[in-house]
Amino acid sequence: AQTVTQSQPEMSVQEAETVTLSCTYDTSESNYYLFWYKQPPSRQMILVIRQEAYKQQNATENRFSVNFQKAAKSFSLKISDSQLGDTAMYFCAFMKPGFGNEKLTFGTGTRLTIIP
Amino acid sequence: DAGVTQSPTHLIKTRGQQVTLRCSPKSGHDTVSWYQQALGQGPQFIFQYYEEEERQRGNFPDRFSGHQYPNYSSELNVNALLLGDSALYLCASSLGQGRNQPQHFGDGTRLSIL
Repeated sequence: AQTVTQSQPEMSVQEAETVTLSCTYDTSESNYYLFWYKQPPSRQMILVIRQEAYKQQNATENRFSVNFQKAAKSFSLKISDSQLGDTAMYFCAFMKPGFGNEKLTFGTGTRLTIIP
Repeated sequence: DAGVTQSPTHLIKTRGQQVTLRCSPKSGHDTVSWYQQALGQGPQFIFQYYEEEERQRGNFPDRFSGHQYPNYSSELNVNALLLGDSALYLCASSLGQGRNQPQHFGDGTRLSIL
């Protein structure tokens, strides 16, 4: 079974600064998908960024980028120029590909607070 | 384009009762997954439906059951409610089954058991 670990329960950073959230995972699979989801107080889980394990290039979405280290089984999220709207719970998630496998395994989350 | 919609938003039940939660997937999506999120925790996978059949199931007892209709909407039923069933229940939809597309989530139903 896959496990996802987020070792930072809470983090805070000043507005406009850069922050990095950590995630490690354990799997015996060679191909898989990794995600970062954001959950603001409004409760809706919002997809931030997605990485496919067979792609060596790190995914980037505007101010959000990942550092994917497959050998180390590490998948960190970097938020640049942080904004007040980035305040939320952030969850790292793992998914095996293929028919009948598409469930997400989540970590316990990191509560990020952006300070004005 | 409507996203994933869930109803009701909030529900209060007592121990031993039964509850039904509802989910309408995002337009064009054919797969629905249900997750339970206890307070302060990450979501835990309950089960997934595709073509009106349960395709995968997480580590949840048979008290948790579901259904998917021909229009892809889905229900989650929980029988004999326990205090530990208090949680946020999230529905997610995707264009699934081998397409490996991201799951889109609804706002959830907050279930409180007294």
